[in-house]
Amino acid sequence: EVQLVESGGGLVQPGRSLRLSCAASGFTFDDYAMHWVRQAPGKGLEWVSGISWNSGSIGYADSVKGRFTISRDNAKNSLYLQMNSLRAEDTALYYCAKDSDILTGSFVFDYWGQGTLVTVSS
Amino acid sequence: EIVLTQSPGTLSLSPGERATLSCRASQSVSSSYLAWYQQKPGQAPRLLIYGASSRATGIPDRFSGSGSGTDFTLTISRLEPEDFAVYYCQQYGSSRSFGQGTKVEIK
Repeated sequence: EVQLVESGGGLVQPGRSLRLSCAASGFTFDDYAMHWVRQAPGKGLEWVSGISWNSGSIGYADSVKGRFTISRDNAKNSLYLQMNSLRAEDTALYYCAKDSDILTGSFVFDYWGQGTLVTVSS
Repeated sequence: EIVLTQSPGTLSLSPGERATLSCRASQSVSSSYLAWYQQKPGQAPRLLIYGASSRATGIPDRFSGSGSGTDFTLTISRLEPEDFAVYYCQQYGSSRSFGQGTKVEIK
């Protein structure tokens, strides 16, 4: 059974940093691209960042480019999101999501974690 | 960036009725790279449809997707009680973007 478990969320002041983690199990982690998708309270979904199976290809939404860094550790079956210079508009539930296509990556998200809440407020 | 507009915002229907949800793109979506997700309150989204019309693993056949270019449709042939939820479309052909969602509520 595929499981994605996020952690690291919390309350943080504007301008500060936070690092999110996602522990994956139930599939061959290093065969798939992985993504972060966020959802502001009461709002829709926004793709934040994605990383290919071998970290060779990385992408970011314009809204976080230059502030967020995605990474992965295939030996630990883990995905990370380093978030710097946080803003109030980054407040959201952050989901870790698995790509559906083996190796190539498709940006179709077939499994999701339950999310970790990030609140940016003074 | 391709903007996806979903309509209606809310659909009020009874169990057993047919639901038709629309997703319109501001530009043509290449190769029908369009997906649909279902989200229930307090839960993560669930993939229903990809490639505009292919059902994801384990999705009942009452869910079907159609369309191409700029107009796409998700149809639920007969609503079951567990189908009342918010539905999002997503295009993944040019960058990535989601629609704002359609809520299917019990009438």
